[in-house]
Amino acid sequence: GQQVMQIPQYQHVQEGEDFTTYCNSSTTLSNIQWYKQRPGGHPVFLIQLVKSGEVKKQKRLTFQFGEAKKNSSLHITATQTTDVGTYFCANQAGTALIFGKGTTLSVSS
Amino acid sequence: DAGVTQSPTHLIKTRGQHVTLRCSPISGHKSVSWYQQVLGQGPQFIFQYYEKEERGRGNFPDRFSARQFPNYSSELNVNALLLGDSALYLCASSLGPGGTGNTIYFGEGSWLTVV
Repeated sequence: GQQVMQIPQYQHVQEGEDFTTYCNSSTTLSNIQWYKQRPGGHPVFLIQLVKSGEVKKQKRLTFQFGEAKKNSSLHITATQTTDVGTYFCANQAGTALIFGKGTTLSVSS
Repeated sequence: DAGVTQSPTHLIKTRGQHVTLRCSPISGHKSVSWYQQVLGQGPQFIFQYYEKEERGRGNFPDRFSARQFPNYSSELNVNALLLGDSALYLCASSLGPGGTGNTIYFGEGSWLTVV
């Protein structure tokens, strides 16, 4: 079945540093969604990308969808302690969301 | 407005028992999906129900079943529990059955521990 692979699995940064997580697929994706899950919490929808080469920004977060629609990235500028959590990419395949394994971000002040 | 509500929040069961988890979607949402999230992994799709009909099923054994009621709430049932069923069970609701136009909202989940 369709899978999305995420790297890195873990990332630790100092507060103020940038952070990027990558999501890759061997097949063309119809869309990519990004979720954030705080420790002990539930996934919260961040954004959906649909178009080839699409770039969307939410404050310090920048989301990109590759030209071939096989990869995506989430970049956080100047991380804050509130950015701590696991970031998942997911592909809506029919009725199912197929999630990657996530990138867990820790931030030290 | 209330978000997606799930109950119970935490429960402990013994191997071989069965469990029923409940979910109420956001008001106006007709689609409910269930996901299993094992520690350290991303959520895995179990079922989707829309307008009381099963619209999708993930790669889970027949011990897992679900249904959706006329008020669009849903139950997930798991029989003959195994230790490996220990996980966070997430319910998600959306307006429609899927596709790019439907944002999915997750509940806070039910933490199931099987001992």
